[in-house]
Amino acid sequence: DIQMTQSPSSLSASVGDRVTITCQASQDISNYLNWYQQKPGKAPKLLIYGASDLETGVPSRFSGSGSGTDFTFTISSLQPEDIATYFCQQYEHFPITFGQGTRLEIK
Amino acid sequence: QVQLQESGPGLVKPSQTLSLTCTVSGGSISSAGYYWSWIRQHPGKGLEWIGFIYYSGSTYYNPSLKSRLTISVDTSKNQFSLKLTSVTAADTAVYYCARNPTGGLVYFDYWGQGTLVTVSS
Repeated sequence: DIQMTQSPSSLSASVGDRVTITCQASQDISNYLNWYQQKPGKAPKLLIYGASDLETGVPSRFSGSGSGTDFTFTISSLQPEDIATYFCQQYEHFPITFGQGTRLEIK
Repeated sequence: QVQLQESGPGLVKPSQTLSLTCTVSGGSISSAGYYWSWIRQHPGKGLEWIGFIYYSGSTYYNPSLKSRLTISVDTSKNQFSLKLTSVTAADTAVYYCARNPTGGLVYFDYWGQGTLVTVSS
């Protein structure tokens, strides 16, 4: 199985900060990577697909980049409602696998 | 707006079979272009893809669960189901159903709210 390693595992930032989360795949996954946001007690919400495509309705402060094994997820200006856990997910190789998550808190 | 809703027992005894159903509303499960998935999340942990099914009945399973897993579809009821046999405490998790498109992109764009299944005697 492809291992997806996110870093950091947790992050504290201030409103307005630029926040970056990385996801590293254990082997080349091209651009077959998605990002999700999960708030406590809720299902994950798709934010980014195909490494960099923004899902319809998702604010433009969210973005993604990368290909191969190294990917980045960025929030350009952190808002209070962005407090959540963020997961990456690869689909280049079955089984589909997810990163362990990055918990984002407000400082 | 597509909606998914999981249903089933919240408590299952060890060695028994976990059975869940996902009811789809706001769209047809027989629509070409979508797979219907099960995903689980162990308490406080990450997400694990279980498997998905097409309306025709074609399935794709996570090899780690394949020997215990059956996913089926009932197009007349707009539902799909999960059966996991010989459960242990390690199967305690929140189980989600979700939709993902076919055609090469595998992302989960609609999710149910999730249902907690506890395996305990």
